[in-house]
Amino acid sequence: KAGVTQTPRYLIKTRGQQVTLSCSPISGHRSVSWYQQTPGQGLQFLFEYFSETQRNKGNFPGRFSGRQFSNSRSEMNVSTLELGDSALYLCASSLVAGGTDTQYFGPGTRLTVL
Amino acid sequence: GNSVTQMEGPVTLSEEAFLTINCTYTATGYPSLFWYVQYPGEGLQLLLKATKADDKGSNKGFEATYRKETTSFHLEKGSVQVSDSAVYFCALSDIMNYGGATNKLIFGTGTLLAVQP
Repeated sequence: KAGVTQTPRYLIKTRGQQVTLSCSPISGHRSVSWYQQTPGQGLQFLFEYFSETQRNKGNFPGRFSGRQFSNSRSEMNVSTLELGDSALYLCASSLVAGGTDTQYFGPGTRLTVL
Repeated sequence: GNSVTQMEGPVTLSEEAFLTINCTYTATGYPSLFWYVQYPGEGLQLLLKATKADDKGSNKGFEATYRKETTSFHLEKGSVQVSDSAVYFCALSDIMNYGGATNKLIFGTGTLLAVQP
């Protein structure tokens, strides 16, 4: 069974641009969550989606948005990029929402903002 | 709010040494607890988990016991190998404002383990 895939793996953007990252969960998984990983702030939760509905949102500005499609694939968008948005963005999928279910992480998208 | 505190690294050990990485948490309710491992250039892999008090999670020789009385979930391994070198994250499952479950994980800062041959 294929794991969680994230595309692209690497991105370089300049300040002010916008970016869209994609996540394909494990087949059959309906829950997708996103995290930002930086050396300074560590791993921080961005969003959680289940069956196309956002169930939970982290403490990030409105420039960060996301969505989930009917096939459970998810995208996140960051508009008006800032230098501080440079990070590894990780996506995780699980069968259901609920806290105890095992979440499987993708390899991440490394975003560099110049 | 809920939080996780884990020991600062790096932890440097010789092969076959005993490993302990301390993790304590602050939480309302009864969260599930997890240890994830991250190898260089990769995403996170679940190492083990425990969903209720006194549960012991184990995998690949690693163990951790959910201790509610001390709010701890320390990671242990009896004999580490060079291949165990990685960053280890302790995490808990958060709870929604209304008390419902969520897949949101709150992570500790991570502990770098370096095992020397």
